Amino acid sequence: AQSVTQLDSQVPVFEEAPVELRCNYSSSVSVYLFWYVQYPNQGLQLLLKYLSGSTLVESINGFEAEFNKSQTSFHLRKPSVHISDTAEYFCAVSGPGTYKYIFGTGTRLKVLA
Amino acid sequence: DAGVIQSPRHEVTEMGQEVTLRCKPISGHDYLFWYRQTMMRGLELLIYFNNNVPIDDSGMPEDRFSAKMPNASFSTLKIQPSEPRDSAVYFCASSSHQGGPDTQYFGPGTRLTVL
Repeated sequence: AQSVTQLDSQVPVFEEAPVELRCNYSSSVSVYLFWYVQYPNQGLQLLLKYLSGSTLVESINGFEAEFNKSQTSFHLRKPSVHISDTAEYFCAVSGPGTYKYIFGTGTRLKVLA
Repeated sequence: DAGVIQSPRHEVTEMGQEVTLRCKPISGHDYLFWYRQTMMRGLELLIYFNNNVPIDDSGMPEDRFSAKMPNASFSTLKIQPSEPRDSAVYFCASSSHQGGPDTQYFGPGTRLTVL
């Protein structure tokens, strides 16, 4: 069975500082990994995804995540955050032969002025 | 393109009443998912459909919950009778998996409050 762990429920960070949101997964088969962002009172939006190929994936708004198979991790990073990045971030795992996502419990990122 | 459309956006009802939540997926998508989000349990997959056929309903909490997809452009999630513990935000998502896995696109959600 697959599972996802997001250890940090809340991460406060000052504007323009770097941030890392941690995601670890458990799976006995190959995986597809996703990061979604949820702004207040909105649905989830895809931020970035890893399906295969390059282990480093990037989003259009400066976030990146690296698939690390040996550490079973897919941490999300941004070198300099903005107030507008304040949101909840969800890591999700899926895999070949299934279209179900298993979501983590989410990390609430709060960017402080 | 219109995204996933859900209605109503907010629903307040009394315990014991029937509640129907509606979803219109993105045109051309062949997968539809219903999720429930609460503070205590996070985001849970309730059921998903492929080409209008329910594939996995193992996440449906109990018999009070039912979901249908009569055609490719419409799905409903019904709770009868509703209970206060059903209060949550319910999301619908759709995706297209022709050729492999793809992004799930979420609707704005329906916030259900059962008094």
